[in-house]
Amino acid sequence: SAVISQKPSRDICQRGTSLTIQCQVDSQVTMMFWYRQQPGQSLTLIATANQGSEATYESGFVIDKFPISRPNLTFSTLTVSNMSPEDSSIYLCSVRLNAYEQYFGPGTRLTVT
Amino acid sequence: QKEVEQDPGPLSVPEGAIVSLNCTYSNSAFQYFMWYRQYSRKGPELLMYTYSSGNKEDGRFTAQVDKSSKYISLFIRDSQPSDSATYLCAYKTGANSKLTFGKGITLSVRP
Repeated sequence: SAVISQKPSRDICQRGTSLTIQCQVDSQVTMMFWYRQQPGQSLTLIATANQGSEATYESGFVIDKFPISRPNLTFSTLTVSNMSPEDSSIYLCSVRLNAYEQYFGPGTRLTVT
Repeated sequence: QKEVEQDPGPLSVPEGAIVSLNCTYSNSAFQYFMWYRQYSRKGPELLMYTYSSGNKEDGRFTAQVDKSSKYISLFIRDSQPSDSATYLCAYKTGANSKLTFGKGITLSVRP
């Protein structure tokens, strides 16, 4: 398995500001993902962040809004830019170890006022 | 038709009951099947995974896959209050493809 930590665990931010979420993994992994989970909803993939390449964004998500860094095999950041109340959600970091095993961090609970 | 449909909840059962959680899917290309458990205010936890049709057992949990009918089920025997959580089914088409999740069903096991 993989142990994943995220910072911050929660935050309350003002409209128009940006927040950077950090994800740290206890082992080196190639495939890392960022998801969003809105209240009462399932998980939606924002982007795939593989080390050594540009992040790949899913339909509906753009780099200007959700820039991602992946400087090495154990760390990634997701920034939520120019936030609006619609960005209030739980943001989850995830890593894939093999074809079957994909693990998630504890999540960052974001509230935008 | 949505790619993944999960039985709506919430579901409430008495302690010791056998629980059956079900998902159906429309994409016949799905080859990998997973169940995740998510406790309140926590990240999803990988519970079970399988590739082939049939049953896979792990302690009190059994994952069942029927590719011909396009459904998967998770059975929980001798359910415990600690099993109270949201259960999400997940699928993907290939080893490196993205996971597609069901909406999740919230289970409550009453002592």
